[in-house]
Amino acid sequence: QVRLQQWGTGLVKPSETLSLSCEFFGGPFYGYYWSWIRRAPGKGLEWIGDIDQSGYTYYTPSLRNRVSIFLDISKNQVSLNVSSVTAADTAVYYCARGNPASAAARFDSWGQGTVVTVSS
Amino acid sequence: QAVLTQAPSVSGTPGQRVTIFCSGSSSNIASNYVHWYQQLPGTAPKLLIYNNNERPSGVPDRFSGSKSGASASLAISGLRSEDEADYFCSSWDDSLTGRLFGGGTKLTVL
Repeated sequence: QVRLQQWGTGLVKPSETLSLSCEFFGGPFYGYYWSWIRRAPGKGLEWIGDIDQSGYTYYTPSLRNRVSIFLDISKNQVSLNVSSVTAADTAVYYCARGNPASAAARFDSWGQGTVVTVSS
Repeated sequence: QAVLTQAPSVSGTPGQRVTIFCSGSSSNIASNYVHWYQQLPGTAPKLLIYNNNERPSGVPDRFSGSKSGASASLAISGLRSEDEADYFCSSWDDSLTGRLFGGGTKLTVL
């Protein structure tokens, strides 16, 4: 049974960088995307981006200039950085597994979510 | 701008059948798979339907999906109180070269 466990800073000051990590257990690493999705208060889900086993990334256009997703295969971890944050980045952030590693990927396993608040 | 459009809310009574719709375009739903997610209050989303109409193991057959052209739908039959949740459609968009989620439909069981 695949399990994703995520962690990170819950309170970030405006203009600083949000950093989250996610470790995956119980399944093969290769052949999937490892992805981040968020949900802001009162809003719907927003896809942030995917990374594959080769480190190739896809990002949503609206965040592309501020987002980095990277992989540490040795630790089974995927991480997210969002720079220059504003209140609009306040959201619950989820890591998820995209299956398979293609445009057709569905998110079949999810982390528990991390509440991130941007406030001074 | 590429978007997937869902009605903000739908409601039904126990035992009833409800349908949630997701409208897209030629660059997303019409040419790519649609997936559906259920998000219960305070929990992470859960995959409900994938590849337009496939159910993951453990999802009851009360849930079914379909697609026609640039639109997709999720039907829930034999409605139960525990089905009260937010439902999101999702698809890849070829123009965006990225994934889209619909705005979500909140299902209320009266």
